[in-house]
Amino acid sequence: EPEVTQTPSHQVTQMGQEVILRCVPISNHLYFYWYRQILGQKVEFLVSFYNNEISEKSEIFDDQFSVERPDGSNFTLKIRSTKLEDSAMYFCATSGSEKGELFFGEGSRLTVL
Amino acid sequence: ELKVEQNPLFLSMQEGKNYTIYCNYSTTSDRLYWYRQDPGKSLESLFVLLSNGAVKQEGRLMASLDTKARLSTLHITAAVHDLSATYFCAVVPNSGYALNFGKGTSLLVTP
Repeated sequence: EPEVTQTPSHQVTQMGQEVILRCVPISNHLYFYWYRQILGQKVEFLVSFYNNEISEKSEIFDDQFSVERPDGSNFTLKIRSTKLEDSAMYFCATSGSEKGELFFGEGSRLTVL
Repeated sequence: ELKVEQNPLFLSMQEGKNYTIYCNYSTTSDRLYWYRQDPGKSLESLFVLLSNGAVKQEGRLMASLDTKARLSTLHITAAVHDLSATYFCAVVPNSGYALNFGKGTSLLVTP
């Protein structure tokens, strides 16, 4: 069964460091999303991406965050200068259509020290 | 601001019993999703509801959507321990792309 793959599964970093989280979408999917979940809390939307551009972003997705699809397959989330409050599980999700089912990856746990 | 409210947030129920989880939302939407999350795991899609009156069933779970009342329900029939998990509803407003999640309902099914 096709699945969304995320790497790394867990990353520990120092405050102020740059982090890149990677996602390999299901092959024919064109709609990509990043969500995050702080431990014990609800899932929060960060950004949606379609046709090589951001279609929507939340207030959380400030100038420290960026997304791109550098090679036509990977979909990445970059945090330029991590803060303690960026510690969370980051989920990539992809969909084959604008109103279709979203499939989530296993998540990348980010711990900022 | 779109609000998605689930209740209850915590639910402990005995095996074999029935119960309903409610999801209210505050905007116009005809797209509602239910997800299951086990501790430390990802989100597993349970149901996608795309129209008023939609009803879907899978095993002991049944979900429905009333877009006029802005309400979805997830009904559990004859609960079993394997259903213990956190259940999230998520709504996409007609004007946007983002899934807006509720806080989740932590379900514990006990013998």
